[in-house]
Amino acid sequence: DAGITQSPRHKVTETGTPVTLRCHQTENHRYMYWYRQDPGHGLRLIHYSYGVKDTDKGEVSDGYSVSRSKTEDFLLTLESATSSQTSVYFCAIRDLALGGTEAFFGQGTRLTVV
Amino acid sequence: QQQVKQSPQSLIVQKGGISIINCAYENTAFDYFPWYQQFPGKGPALLIAIRPDVSEKKEGRFTISFNKSAKQFSLHIMDSQPGDSATYFCAATTSGTYKYIFGTGTRLKVLA
Repeated sequence: DAGITQSPRHKVTETGTPVTLRCHQTENHRYMYWYRQDPGHGLRLIHYSYGVKDTDKGEVSDGYSVSRSKTEDFLLTLESATSSQTSVYFCAIRDLALGGTEAFFGQGTRLTVV
Repeated sequence: QQQVKQSPQSLIVQKGGISIINCAYENTAFDYFPWYQQFPGKGPALLIAIRPDVSEKKEGRFTISFNKSAKQFSLHIMDSQPGDSATYFCAATTSGTYKYIFGTGTRLKVLA
């Protein structure tokens, strides 16, 4: 699992509430990513980070923000959760030690917005 | 141009048969094409990958065939086993861009 821990693993929240998902890695990888997985859409990139305080938007970033104040933690925040954000969220890292191309994924967080 | 189109959406194969999943892309700047395998409740795991300078890569029962001129690549699972039942994603990326573009996934079921 490349030392990736996502928390929580499951969460149910109400529409309009803020939610923060955490991705923690133990191997000092520079690149970290947040994806969402939905049936019929595969995996879509929300935001990614290429270093502490260095982040950029992916293809489905609306309604999400991220922060990376430490190398090991990449946080994904839904400022005001909506039902369309019900999904499974995956954190991934890119391992430069393997040539910089392979991406490794965490176990996922299943988020339900009611 | 950034899309990766994957087919079929689902696939049922008898044990011992060959499973074939296809992907097509448009962006000729892509230079790395991995396949991921995902079991229920788990994150995707890298299965096998190829670069466009080779036409085929084989690892055990898994083979990637790559057709650069047609901008297509496919995953072949030989002697398919029930334990191969999972969702498979193709992906593409360009070195230095740090972004992966994923296909929509193929749910494979191998019947015992």
